[in-house]
Amino acid sequence: EAQLVESGGGLIQPGGSLRLSCAASGITVSINYMSWVRQAPGKGLEWVSIIYSGGTTYYADSVKGRFIISRDNSKNTLYLQMNSLRAEDTAGYFCARHDYGDYRYGLGVWGQGTTVTVSS
Amino acid sequence: DIQMTQSPSSLSASVGDRVTITCRASQSISTYLNWYQQKPGKAPDLLIYAASRLQSGVPSRFSGSGSGTDFSLTISSLQPEDFATYYCQQSYNTPLTFGGGTKVEIK
Repeated sequence: EAQLVESGGGLIQPGGSLRLSCAASGITVSINYMSWVRQAPGKGLEWVSIIYSGGTTYYADSVKGRFIISRDNSKNTLYLQMNSLRAEDTAGYFCARHDYGDYRYGLGVWGQGTTVTVSS
Repeated sequence: DIQMTQSPSSLSASVGDRVTITCRASQSISTYLNWYQQKPGKAPDLLIYAASRLQSGVPSRFSGSGSGTDFSLTISSLQPEDFATYYCQQSYNTPLTFGGGTKVEIK
């Protein structure tokens, strides 16, 4: 069964850095399109970043230049390095897999999420 | 960026009702439109992809339609487990964008 498990969230001061991890089982991260999606408390879903199977990456304007998506094929794990964190980055962060090996299809497998709180 | 506008933002309905949620894109996205259901404290679940294709395991009371800029999600007979928030999402190009959500509440 395909499963994604996020970790790495926590309380961090503004300006700080945090790295989120998304460990995959039943899914090979390296051959899939993988995204990070976040949800601020009480708000809707916001797409954050994607990494293509070929390694191409894209970001939402709100995080461009501050966040970096990457993967470790040997660990079958997806990462989100978050730098220069702001209060508005406070959210639950989900990793998810795009179905059928293409970003144009829906996000069919999601992790349970990890919470990031940016506050002094 | 493509903006996705959902309506209504919330609705009240009874078990057995037929419910329709609409989603409009700020430009044509062909049929690259997905629908998700999210319950409190949980990750979203994919219901519909490519505008009208039912995700495996999703009950047939859910259906999607539309192309270009206008789309809809219909629940033919609302069940107690369907009370949740629904989101549309365009996957035509990056940045991928979600609609603001529609909360379906019990009347």
